[in-house]
Amino acid sequence: RKEVEQDPGPFNVPEGATVAFNCTYSNSASQSFFWYRQDCRKEPKLLMSVYSSGNEDGRFTAQLNRASQYMSLLIRDSKLSDSATYLCVVNPHGGSQGNLIFGKGTKLSVKP
Amino acid sequence: EPEVTQTPSHQVTQMGQEVILRCVPISNHLYFYWYRQILGQKVEFLVSFYNNEISEKSEIFDDQFSVERPDGSNFTLKIRSTKLEDSAMYFCASSEAGEGGTVLTFGAGSRLTVL
Repeated sequence: RKEVEQDPGPFNVPEGATVAFNCTYSNSASQSFFWYRQDCRKEPKLLMSVYSSGNEDGRFTAQLNRASQYMSLLIRDSKLSDSATYLCVVNPHGGSQGNLIFGKGTKLSVKP
Repeated sequence: EPEVTQTPSHQVTQMGQEVILRCVPISNHLYFYWYRQILGQKVEFLVSFYNNEISEKSEIFDDQFSVERPDGSNFTLKIRSTKLEDSAMYFCASSEAGEGGTVLTFGAGSRLTVL
């Protein structure tokens, strides 16, 4: 079973749309959760950490369901600049040092 | 904003040759990492480094690979006897702390092409 699974997309949405991405992870002992964004041929950049109670950062809302081993990212009012690949990332060990497990990513394309 | 810098941005090498990829982590960061991403695939952890020694490594990081902090600023990844399947983007990252929730800052990557 893959450690972190995501729908690869692509999600093609118009500007202003709301779009949601889902992710499941296999290690129930995972302690830390993140969404990263990666532009084509660029490095991953942290979008937001994900907390058990859910958290919001502007147009972005992240949710975590530990019981179902499921994460989600909601983007409201999509901008052209949101076009990228969104990576679901899990630290499976809690106390370990930066051994992040990445999903393959969901590609988002926002059209005018 | 502080950044992680990597050189070279692109290296082309012949199969069997040795390559060294260089990274300058953020100056006050204590934990350093190498990840790789084969084209079209996911980002994969290779190794983490703290206090001048490897703290964790993946099964990918076999005897072909080594890391070193030769001075107070550089962090290097050496790949001996490169193979075609080593062609990938190699990302260096660093963090202030090492616990699970810590945030990593990635460099722009070094693209390695093995012919």
